[in-house]
Amino acid sequence: KQEVTQIPAALSVPEGENLVLNCSFTDSAIYNLQWFRQDPGKGLTSLLLIQSSQREQTSGRLNASLDKSSGRSTLYIAASQPGDSATYLCAVRPLGDAGGTSYGKLTFGQGTILTVHP
Amino acid sequence: DGGITQSPKYLFRKEGQNVTLSCEQNLNHDAMYWYRQDPGQGLRLIYYSQIVNDFQKGDIAEGYSVSREKKESFPLTVTSAQKNPTAFYLCASSWSGETDTQYFGPGTRLTVL
Repeated sequence: KQEVTQIPAALSVPEGENLVLNCSFTDSAIYNLQWFRQDPGKGLTSLLLIQSSQREQTSGRLNASLDKSSGRSTLYIAASQPGDSATYLCAVRPLGDAGGTSYGKLTFGQGTILTVHP
Repeated sequence: DGGITQSPKYLFRKEGQNVTLSCEQNLNHDAMYWYRQDPGQGLRLIYYSQIVNDFQKGDIAEGYSVSREKKESFPLTVTSAQKNPTAFYLCASSWSGETDTQYFGPGTRLTVL
């Protein structure tokens, strides 16, 4: 059974710092990995999606890497701002089996709560 | 204005009652999903549907039921059989392909009194 773990559980940094969030998964048979952002009491917003054949994806100040063989992904946030404060979740989508029953079954980590203070 | 809507935002239920959470999308997505989120935890999949009139159990389907009579709608019923229903419920949708991202609604917070 796929398990996804995120470290650290919480992180508090001063504005302007570069930071790294970590995500590890136990089964490397994945189609893709996604990073999401969740503001308190809100839904999730997709930040980056990395296909299993890719090594990294970039969007603005965000860079996500994927090392499928070691079961790890990192989300790098450059020059952090107070507006980056949120919970960051990673999720993996498994490879579909012959019956397609694995399609859409994302497995999530528990999230990292990020606080960026001025 | 495309997106996913969930209603109500807050819902209170007495023990022993069934309640239905609404999820509607106008993104023309084929697939829809229901997740449950508990404090300090990630999301867990309850049910998902790839096409109309078909749905599959997720990891924690016991005590829940769904229907998919229309492409745009995927309501979730929390039955009295669900022992600990107090949680934050999130609905999502996506194109029906392995590589497409899921788009999430704003969520419904259910509290059992």
